[in-house]
Amino acid sequence: GNSVTQMEGPVTLSEEAFLTINCTYTATGYPSLFWYVQYPGEGLQLLLKATKADDKGSNKGFEATYRKETTSFHLEKGSVQVSDSAVYFCALSDSAGGTSYGKLTFGQGTILTVHP
Amino acid sequence: EPEVTQTPSHQVTQMGQEVILRCVPISNHLYFYWYRQILGQKVEFLVSFYNNEISEKSEIFDDQFSVERPDGSNFTLKIRSTKLEDSAMYFCASSATHGNEQFFGPGTRLTVL
Repeated sequence: GNSVTQMEGPVTLSEEAFLTINCTYTATGYPSLFWYVQYPGEGLQLLLKATKADDKGSNKGFEATYRKETTSFHLEKGSVQVSDSAVYFCALSDSAGGTSYGKLTFGQGTILTVHP
Repeated sequence: EPEVTQTPSHQVTQMGQEVILRCVPISNHLYFYWYRQILGQKVEFLVSFYNNEISEKSEIFDDQFSVERPDGSNFTLKIRSTKLEDSAMYFCASSATHGNEQFFGPGTRLTVL
């Protein structure tokens, strides 16, 4: 079955540091890949997505590239801010052209804390 | 901006009791989902719902669980006889088309004593 593995957390950084959160996946077919973010007390929000190999998703300074050869979708940001403190979830959906109704398979989440 | 809402934000119940978790999806969305996250574990898919019927469910979604869209706006998850292991955060989500972005609610924290 499908699975997503994220790097172990939590991650603690100083403001303006470089961020990488690793994500690898196992899937049959050609999944779409997502990063969701959860700020304290809120629901999951889509941060970025990529639907095919070599696509780069980007939003709010974050980016991730769909790497089919390494089955990875690592999240990066060049300079983090205190306001980026949140939980980040990598996820996949194998619904593209398939019979699945879009269910998401999530990684375990990575807690990011950014200090001033 | 339209959003998914969930009530209550926190539900405490005794083991064996029935609970109903409520969600109001975004109004023009057609696909609806429930997920849950046990503390410290992954967010897990429970069920998807489309065209007034279950379209897919996980092995977690056994006979104790049911979903319903009783009117044009609400989407509910019922657990008939709660167990201690049902304690988790339950998230509702909706999307306009399948395979596209899912919009999540803030979650309901269910505590079974």
